[in-house]
Amino acid sequence: SAVISQKPSRDICQRGTSLTIQCQVDSQVTMMFWYRQQPGQSLTLIATANQGSEATYESGFVIDKFPISRPNLTFSTLTVSNMSPEDSSIYLCSVRVRAASSYEQYFGPGTRLTVT
Amino acid sequence: DAKTTQPTSMDCAEGRAANLPCNHSTISGNEYVYWYRQIHSQGPQYIIHGLKNNETNEMASLIITEDRKSSTLILPHATLRDTAVYYCIVSALTGRRALTFGSGTRLQVQP
Repeated sequence: SAVISQKPSRDICQRGTSLTIQCQVDSQVTMMFWYRQQPGQSLTLIATANQGSEATYESGFVIDKFPISRPNLTFSTLTVSNMSPEDSSIYLCSVRVRAASSYEQYFGPGTRLTVT
Repeated sequence: DAKTTQPTSMDCAEGRAANLPCNHSTISGNEYVYWYRQIHSQGPQYIIHGLKNNETNEMASLIITEDRKSSTLILPHATLRDTAVYYCIVSALTGRRALTFGSGTRLQVQP
């Protein structure tokens, strides 16, 4: 398994500003992911972040809006840029780890962002 | 990844077994069935996963039909703390794939 922490746990931000969310894992992992969960909705994958390469973004998400850093195998950041109220969501970091003959994916506690 | 179908919501009495069904008729041979749950506003919690054999751990049991087109997650003695949204996800989780979440089943455990 993997233990994931995120900072901040929540924040209230003004529109037009940016927020950087940090994700720390207790072990080295190759695959890290960032998800968004809008109010009342399910989780949506934003991007895959691998160490040593640029993040791969899903349809509807762009690097200018959600820049991601992955400096090493235990840490990543997601920035929500030029925020608007529509960006109010829970942002979740996730990692994939090897388990016997398959894989498991674990999630952080999330960062609850409110944009006013 | 194969699509899954789950009931929108279910109720269960505290202390009774909660049986959550999932249909995945287009599952491929290398895809696993994963179950997660999300208690209000927390990150999703891994419960269990399996390929074709039934699996059991300290949280739950996973029963997969022989044709692998459906499965059931069993919480043997539901408590109020098991009230959550339960997600059934089918994935090979290879390459760059990440889990894709559907709407899940909202389980309400009643006292």
